[in-house]
Amino acid sequence: QKEVEQNSGPLSVPEGAIASLNCTYSDRGSQSFFWYRQYSGKSPELIMSIYSNGDKEDGRFTAQLNKASQYVSLLIRDSQPSDSATYLCAVFPSGYNKLIFGAGTRLAVHP
Amino acid sequence: GAVVSQHPSWVICKSGTSVKIECRSLDFQATTMFWYRQFPKQSLMLMATSNEGSKATYEQGVEKDKFLINHASLTLSTLTVTSAHPEDSSFYICSARDRTGAYEQYFGPGTRLTVT
Repeated sequence: QKEVEQNSGPLSVPEGAIASLNCTYSDRGSQSFFWYRQYSGKSPELIMSIYSNGDKEDGRFTAQLNKASQYVSLLIRDSQPSDSATYLCAVFPSGYNKLIFGAGTRLAVHP
Repeated sequence: GAVVSQHPSWVICKSGTSVKIECRSLDFQATTMFWYRQFPKQSLMLMATSNEGSKATYEQGVEKDKFLINHASLTLSTLTVTSAHPEDSSFYICSARDRTGAYEQYFGPGTRLTVT
């Protein structure tokens, strides 16, 4: 059984701070990793994909991947109240035809 | 780019009737589409994976005769909820993977189904 683990939160950060969201996965052969943002009552939106070890930056978002530790993280710099949402980590395990999602971390950014 | 649409966005139907939900990839071709459902404050639950031109693969516990999936073309998949009951009321979301080979999946906006 392939698993993706996330802390359910809520993670509460003040406006302007860095929010750090973490995710671990069980399948060592996984090659593709994604972060989705889901606002309440809406569908998930892809915000970052990462395939290689290291950091990948896109605007205020940085995804970090460490395959040896089976760990993926998402940093959100200068957090805004509009970033308040549930963030889903998703992994594409080797030999699978589908993404495995974590249960999500709820982020609350307070003014 | 990478836009997925769903229709309808919400639907109310009477118990015992059937409802069809359409999912379209608007600016890319999708060899694989996925159907999820999500109850309030719960995680996404994958129902089935469909590949264009072949039968859908259903997840364990999902009744294939109740949730009929057709992936008729590279841009269209449909989910039909047959003989709907109030417990089928949920948020149904499709997603599509671009056939160019990237593993990125893009979600539609979802369909909120209420069965009375």
